[in-house]
Amino acid sequence: DIQMTQSSSSFSVSLGDRVTITCKASEDIYNRLAWYQQKPGNAPRLLISGATSLETGVPSRFSGSGSGKDYTLSITSLQTEDVATYYCQQYWSTPTFGGGTKLEIK
Amino acid sequence: QVTLKESGPGILKPSQTLSLTCSFSGFSLSTSGMGVGWIRQPSGKGLEWLAHIWWDDDKYYNPSLKSQLTISKDTSRNQVFLKITSVDTADTATYYCARRAGGNFFDYWGQGTTLTVSS
Repeated sequence: DIQMTQSSSSFSVSLGDRVTITCKASEDIYNRLAWYQQKPGNAPRLLISGATSLETGVPSRFSGSGSGKDYTLSITSLQTEDVATYYCQQYWSTPTFGGGTKLEIK
Repeated sequence: QVTLKESGPGILKPSQTLSLTCSFSGFSLSTSGMGVGWIRQPSGKGLEWLAHIWWDDDKYYNPSLKSQLTISKDTSRNQVFLKITSVDTADTATYYCARRAGGNFFDYWGQGTTLTVSS
């Protein structure tokens, strides 16, 4: 299995901050990387696929980058509605998820 | 409009078999490249992929759970099923089904169904 590591399980942010969430794969996943947002009580929502492709309807303040083993999800100017837990998932091989990064407001 | 909805027993005793159903609309599993997967999430914890099935009936399982899992589909009824044998308290979780399109990520998710395993 390919292991996905999100180094921060949670961190506190302020509204308007730029936020960067990192995800590291145990081997090269060739940009086969998706990001999901999950709010309490809800199912995950796909934000980004192919490491950089924003899904329809996702605000442009979200962006993805990276290559090889290392990937990031960025949120410019954090809004209240962005407070959630974010998961990465690789699909180069049988799917595996990162442990999640929970954003909290300071 | 793509929708998925999970259904299950809600509560089971240890050693029983879990049967889950995913009923979906807005796409067909007779379409090349389409698939449906199951993912679970214990309360307050992360996501774990369990299994998925493709339009051509190809099936894949989480290696750590493979011996307990069986996924199947009824294309005509737009349903996917998952059985998990010999459940125990560690299987207490919310179970989601989700669509996998050609990109192999999960683009639409159901609302989830919760399972509690308790004696």
